[in-house]
Amino acid sequence: QEQVVESGGGVVHPGRSLRLSCAASGFIFSSYGMHWVRQAPGKGLEWVAVISYDGNNKYYADSVKGRFTISRDNSKNTLYLQMNSLRAEDTAVYYCAKDWKWEQLFYGMNVWGQGTTVTVSS
Amino acid sequence: QSALTQPASVSGSPGQSITISCTGTSSDVGVYNYVSWYQQHPGKAPKLMIFEVSNRPSGVPARFSGSKSGNTASLTISGLQAEDEAAYYCSSYTTGSTVVFGGGTILTVL
Repeated sequence: QEQVVESGGGVVHPGRSLRLSCAASGFIFSSYGMHWVRQAPGKGLEWVAVISYDGNNKYYADSVKGRFTISRDNSKNTLYLQMNSLRAEDTAVYYCAKDWKWEQLFYGMNVWGQGTTVTVSS
Repeated sequence: QSALTQPASVSGSPGQSITISCTGTSSDVGVYNYVSWYQQHPGKAPKLMIFEVSNRPSGVPARFSGSKSGNTASLTISGLQAEDEAAYYCSSYTTGSTVVFGGGTILTVL
């Protein structure tokens, strides 16, 4: 069974950093693109970033570009999101999601975790 | 990148059909067939219902269907059931190599 589990969320002061992790199982992690998507309290979904199956291509939403870095360790079946210079508006549940198509990106996210909550507050 | 436009809410009675629209631009929905639809129940993770405009993943009932015309994509649910009550989000690939979501539509089954 394909599964992803996020971790690393918490409460952090504005301007500080946090690193999220996403552990994958049940599929060949090294063959699929992976996304981070967030959802602020009571709001809709917002796409954050994506990384290709081999880590060579990374794309970001304008709202996080230059502050967040997506990465992956295929030997550990783990996806990461390094978040720097955090702002109050980054407060959200952060979801890790798998792109459904082998070695492709942007075709649709067919496996989602339950999310990890990040709260940025002084 | 502005969010795709969806109605805030739609409703229907059990057994009826409803359609949710998702309007984008010539930089996203209008030029790519990489439109997806997601269902999200309260407190739960989103679930992929439709990919590439009109394709259903395994396990998604056939009463869920998708289409696209110009800059607008649509999700139709036929034979509404109580468990369909949820939030629905569309998404599209964009010319900037990003993904944009719609604002979400709350479906109420009366």
